[in-house]
Amino acid sequence: AQSVTQLGSHVSVSEGALVLLRCNYSSSVPPYLFWYVQYPNQGLQLLLKYTTGATLVKGINGFEAEFKKSETSFHLTKPSAHMSDAAEYFCAVSGKGGSEKLVFGKGTKLTVNP
Amino acid sequence: DTAVSQTPKYLVTQMGNDKSIKCEQNLGHDTMYWYKQDSKKFLKIMFSYNNKELIINETVPNRFSPKSPDKAHLNLHINSLELGDSAVYFCASQGTSRDTQYFGPGTRLTVL
Repeated sequence: AQSVTQLGSHVSVSEGALVLLRCNYSSSVPPYLFWYVQYPNQGLQLLLKYTTGATLVKGINGFEAEFKKSETSFHLTKPSAHMSDAAEYFCAVSGKGGSEKLVFGKGTKLTVNP
Repeated sequence: DTAVSQTPKYLVTQMGNDKSIKCEQNLGHDTMYWYKQDSKKFLKIMFSYNNKELIINETVPNRFSPKSPDKAHLNLHINSLELGDSAVYFCASQGTSRDTQYFGPGTRLTVL
């Protein structure tokens, strides 16, 4: 079985500050890992994903994440927060085991203060 | 062109009614999903279809019945709606195995 834990249901940063959203996963098979963003009253948009290869993954809007197998982590970072980054962020894992379903974490709401 | 579309966007109905939500994707994908997002924003998979065949059924009450008339469409029919069914329902589609899933805009269902 797979699971995702996102540490911190709410994260608040100042505009221009570093954004760090934490994600730890559990998977019995090599995972595929995803970060999705959900703006208010909208669907989910893929920010970035890790499948195989390079462990540092760059995504849209200046976000990146690093896959650390030894720590079972896939934390999301952005060097400088922008007001438009305020949204809900979801980490998700998929893998083999009979299905390719996405298992989501509970989400982290990012607030950016002026 | 919207890649994954859902109708309606909002659905308000009374307990006990039957309602349907429709999903269409124009990405040429073989696999489609239904997810439920509850009031705490938690997302959980409900169903998955691959080329019109049911692949995943995640212990969802049998009041929920997905139907896939063709691989571009996956509809969700809900019988005897209950208060606890109030949620946002997202459709998603996927090309090859373990590829990115593309999500629709969601349908906000409110059961009164």
